[in-house]
Amino acid sequence: QKEVEQNSGPLSVPEGAIASLNCTYSDRGSQSFFWYRQYSGKSPELIMFIYSNGDKEDGRFTAQLNKASQYVSLLIRDSQPSDSATYLCAVNDQTGANNLFFGTGTRLTVIP
Amino acid sequence: DADVTQTPRNRITKTGKRIMLECSQTKGHDRMYWYRQDPGLGLRLIYYSFDVKDINKGEISDGYSVSRQAQAKFSLSLESAIPNQTALYFCATSGAGLYNEQFFGPGTRLTVL
Repeated sequence: QKEVEQNSGPLSVPEGAIASLNCTYSDRGSQSFFWYRQYSGKSPELIMFIYSNGDKEDGRFTAQLNKASQYVSLLIRDSQPSDSATYLCAVNDQTGANNLFFGTGTRLTVIP
Repeated sequence: DADVTQTPRNRITKTGKRIMLECSQTKGHDRMYWYRQDPGLGLRLIYYSFDVKDINKGEISDGYSVSRQAQAKFSLSLESAIPNQTALYFCATSGAGLYNEQFFGPGTRLTVL
């Protein structure tokens, strides 16, 4: 059973701070990693993807991947109240189906 | 217009009723998926389809069936709804290949009484 683990939170940070969200995965062969943001009652929307070890930056967001440790993280700099949402980590299934396995999500609250 | 649409958006039904949830996409993707989301359990895959003639069971297919009527349409049916099928249902699409993200529809909130 492939697993994607996230701390469910809630994670609370003050406005302007850095929020750090973490994810571990069990399938060592996974090659693509995605972070989705989901507002309450809404559908998930992609905010970052990463395929190679190291960091990938996009605006206030940085994804970090360490395949040896089977760990992927998302940093949100200068957190804003509008960042308050649940963040889902998704990891691909390396078998032919190449489906995504999702973590249960971390709920982030940014306090004004 | 939205790229992935779902109908209905909300549905309340009774135990034993047959329910169909519909999904349409204009993204031109071959791959389509049905998920359900429950509090604390995350997104779980029900069925997926790589083209009109290729339909596969996901993690939790029992009690569900699907139909891929066309490249753009993928329907999910509950033949005899039961209360533990109360959940938020999402349709998603993606391109083929290793690095393709999935795009989600707005979701259908289903309540089975």
